[in-house]
Amino acid sequence: DAGVTQSPTHLIKTRGQQVTLRCSPKSGHDTVSWYQQALGQGPQFIFQYYEEEERQRGNFPDRFSGHQFPNYSSELNVNALLLGDSALYLCASSPLLPLGYTFGSGTRLTVV
Amino acid sequence: GENVEQHPSTLSVQEGDSAVIKCTYSDSASNYFPWYKQELGKRPQLIIDIRSNVGEKKDQRIAVTLNKTAKHFSLHITETQPEDSAVYFCAASRATGTASKLTFGTGTRLQVTL
Repeated sequence: DAGVTQSPTHLIKTRGQQVTLRCSPKSGHDTVSWYQQALGQGPQFIFQYYEEEERQRGNFPDRFSGHQFPNYSSELNVNALLLGDSALYLCASSPLLPLGYTFGSGTRLTVV
Repeated sequence: GENVEQHPSTLSVQEGDSAVIKCTYSDSASNYFPWYKQELGKRPQLIIDIRSNVGEKKDQRIAVTLNKTAKHFSLHITETQPEDSAVYFCAASRATGTASKLTFGTGTRLQVTL
């Protein structure tokens, strides 16, 4: 049973560019959440998708957008990249209820 | 919104000793409290969780206690081993029928020395 898979594992982008990160949830999970983890910090909630809709959003600007597909996979898009966007981006999947997040290994984004 | 504070930020214990990590939360409607272990360069892994209708939960050497009145929950690790060395995060969530974001604490770096 595959867990949560994310791609790519590492990415280097230049300021101002756009990036798309991808996530496939664990089998049986229909809810996908995205988190940003800066070095030495706890994960910060970006947004959550369920039934292809954004259900909840954290304090992130509109440069951060996402999508969930009918097969429950998800994408995170970040436009106009800033140096401060450099972080580990974690995808977590779960059934909506009861809770039980499973995190992917993340995508390490470096903005130069 | 929810705010979760976690203490201490670093904790060093000798092998075999116990370790305690404490968290407080601000949203009295939070009803789900997981703990995650994150080793260097790896994903956070759920080690134990507790729901608001339970005061204590134990799984082998790991236990979590919840005090809803004080909005406080703690992780207890007994008989620590070197492989327990990692960063531990607490989190809180107000899980509803349509949303369940986690708010994380700032993490505790636990080092178990021989």
